[in-house]
Amino acid sequence: NAGVTQTPKFQVLKTGQSMTLQCAQDMNHEYMSWYRQDPGMGLRLIHYSVGAGITDQGEVPNGYNVSRSTTEDFPLRLLSAAPSQTSVYFCASSPWGAGGSPGANVLTFGAGSRLTVL
Amino acid sequence: QQPVQSPQAVILREGEDAVINCSSSKALYSVHWYRQKHGEAPVFLMILLKGGEQKGHDKISASFNEKKQQSSLYLTASQLSYSGTYFCGTVRGGSNYKLTFGKGTLLTVNP
Repeated sequence: NAGVTQTPKFQVLKTGQSMTLQCAQDMNHEYMSWYRQDPGMGLRLIHYSVGAGITDQGEVPNGYNVSRSTTEDFPLRLLSAAPSQTSVYFCASSPWGAGGSPGANVLTFGAGSRLTVL
Repeated sequence: QQPVQSPQAVILREGEDAVINCSSSKALYSVHWYRQKHGEAPVFLMILLKGGEQKGHDKISASFNEKKQQSSLYLTASQLSYSGTYFCGTVRGGSNYKLTFGKGTLLTVNP
């Protein structure tokens, strides 16, 4: 049981390049989400998904695309990287919606992906 | 809209108590608390639902005042292992799928 796996752990991009941050979970969780963490800003929600084929925007969605074709995977795409997207990215999943019954919405986080855009 | 946490940072000696506060201007369905150690991922501590229920986790407990839309995390007889950044997350009623975190409170426990 690997939990939530993020790849790559580190990535350096040049402005304008594109890339995909991968996230996979093996817990059969319906809910998956992406956060970015910047110094002094806490964790900010980028996009989330409540099941395969269903995605929605969070607080800071601009510049990012997501899709959810399977329950296990929730990739985050940067189409044209900008220096403002330099951050640590966390993927997290839970077995149900984030505001549901106790015990059903505990977020399990991946180890994080550190992205630097030059 | 991010919940507001206070204080931003607190330094304790081992054995001392601390309180971290979290407030929102919107009606909340639930409040979540997570702890993150340096260089690691956040780890779940507890969830509180509207109704003012108080939860506990070892010597860490929390309360949720639904009328004020405020939650407090209580750390009693702090241990060195309590050091880290504490985040509160909130879910607003009617939007059960968006968990929004505050900016965090850095807690340092010294010997």
